[in-house]
Amino acid sequence: GAGVSQSPSNKVTEKGKDVELRCDPISGHTALYWYRQSLGQGLEFLIYFQGNSAPDKSGLPSDRFSAERTGGSVSTLTIQRTQQEDSAVYLCASSRWTEFNYEQYFGPGTRLTVT
Amino acid sequence: AQKVTQAQTEISVVEKEDVTLDCVYETRDTTYYLFWYKQPPSGELVFLIRRNSFDEQNEISGRYSWNFQKSTSSFNFTITASQVVDSAVYFCAPLKGGSEKLVFGKGTKLTVNP
Repeated sequence: GAGVSQSPSNKVTEKGKDVELRCDPISGHTALYWYRQSLGQGLEFLIYFQGNSAPDKSGLPSDRFSAERTGGSVSTLTIQRTQQEDSAVYLCASSRWTEFNYEQYFGPGTRLTVT
Repeated sequence: AQKVTQAQTEISVVEKEDVTLDCVYETRDTTYYLFWYKQPPSGELVFLIRRNSFDEQNEISGRYSWNFQKSTSSFNFTITASQVVDSAVYFCAPLKGGSEKLVFGKGTKLTVNP
């Protein structure tokens, strides 16, 4: 596709339920990121995948959060037993280095509301 | 350790004014890259520019210009003759050389009033 896509665009869930958020990166991009943006706040790094290397999970806020990337492409961010403080926009990005350039592009985000 | 600071939380200008957004990146790294992203009210992050630490040449592109000074760790972004459509949150994001993990500043909310 032309850009990073995310689904769903909006998700409303009840407290305590599990949710899965999906990200399709740009074809050919080797790295994939998940960020979280709470209302009126900056971007909070969650997790980063690069090729076949072990992911950088240093930003995950708790063990309720996990992510996987299958086949080096699509990624799923899973939040178990959702809490109201998990309400935020979850942004996915993908990137790659070329010989003279680095590009990182973001998807439109998934707005998660936990009621 | 690296630290990125966008000291301006919010800026409000009247259309056609020039506005400069400040970003300071403190690091001991000699090779790094600095990015600016724009996030309009629609929410999607839009890539604006990337600069290399080894290239201090300033550039102008249309109404945008940027001033990178390695000696002061500043990477400022100027919009000339601002327009209402420039209203957005602007994020500065450095990238350490050899890394692929952007570190975002807290952002500056720009409001351009008609």
